[in-house]
Amino acid sequence: AAGVIQSPRHLIKEKRETATLKCYPIPRHDTVYWYQQGPGQDPQFLISFYEKMQSDKGSIPDRFSAQQFSDYHSELNMSSLELGDSALYFCASSLGRTYTDTQYFGPGTRLTVL
Amino acid sequence: DAKTTQPPSMDCAEGRAANLPCNHSTISGNEYVYWYRQIHSQGPQYIIHGLKNNETNEMASLIITEDRKSSTLILPHATLRDTAVYYCIVSPYTGTASKLTFGTGTRLQVTL
Repeated sequence: AAGVIQSPRHLIKEKRETATLKCYPIPRHDTVYWYQQGPGQDPQFLISFYEKMQSDKGSIPDRFSAQQFSDYHSELNMSSLELGDSALYFCASSLGRTYTDTQYFGPGTRLTVL
Repeated sequence: DAKTTQPPSMDCAEGRAANLPCNHSTISGNEYVYWYRQIHSQGPQYIIHGLKNNETNEMASLIITEDRKSSTLILPHATLRDTAVYYCIVSPYTGTASKLTFGTGTRLQVTL
C-alpha cells in the first residue's frame, strides 16, 4: 500500500539558512500534520492542514511556515535556521471527516543545522 | 486533552505476550485511545485505537476498562522486531485534524 512520502530524507544546512521540507500524503488523504522530534525527545506537534486550510497549530516557531497545496501535498518552510532546529521532522496524513483521525506517518526528514 | 501515564520501560521474552498498561483517568467521553509505536528513529506507526469496546486487529488487542480510565495493549506473541517505544495517546474526535500529543511512552525490549 502507498505510504506517506517525505523529501528529502536528509538535509544539512548552515545556521541562518533556509530549508524546505516536502510531504506527499497517502492518496485520497486530505489532512496533513507536521511533527518535530528533537534528539532524545518525543514527537511534538507543529501544525496541521485540512482541505488546504490550517486546522491546528502547536509550538511552531514564527520562523517556520507551512501550507498545503491543491494536490494535498504540504511543504514546511524554515528560515533563519538555528542549531536547535536540528531534529527529525515527520509528516503524517489522514482521511478527514471520518469518525477518527488515524494518522499515518512518513519516514521523516533528518535536518542537521551546522 | 487527557494526560496518560505509562511505565517507562518493560521487558518481554520473545514469543510471550507483551501487556503494556496505560492510565488515562481524566479521559473525556469523546476521546479515543490510540496506540502508536516508534522503532528507533522511524516514523511512528499506528497500531490500534478504541473508544470503549475492546478491539483487535492483526497487530494487537486493546483492552479498555469499563470506566475507560485505563487500557492495556496486548501484543500476543512478541518478536524482536516489536522492540520499540510504545505511545498511548488519548485524543478527541473533533471532526478534522486532531493532533496527537505524545507522552514519554513505554520502551519495550523484547529479548531472546
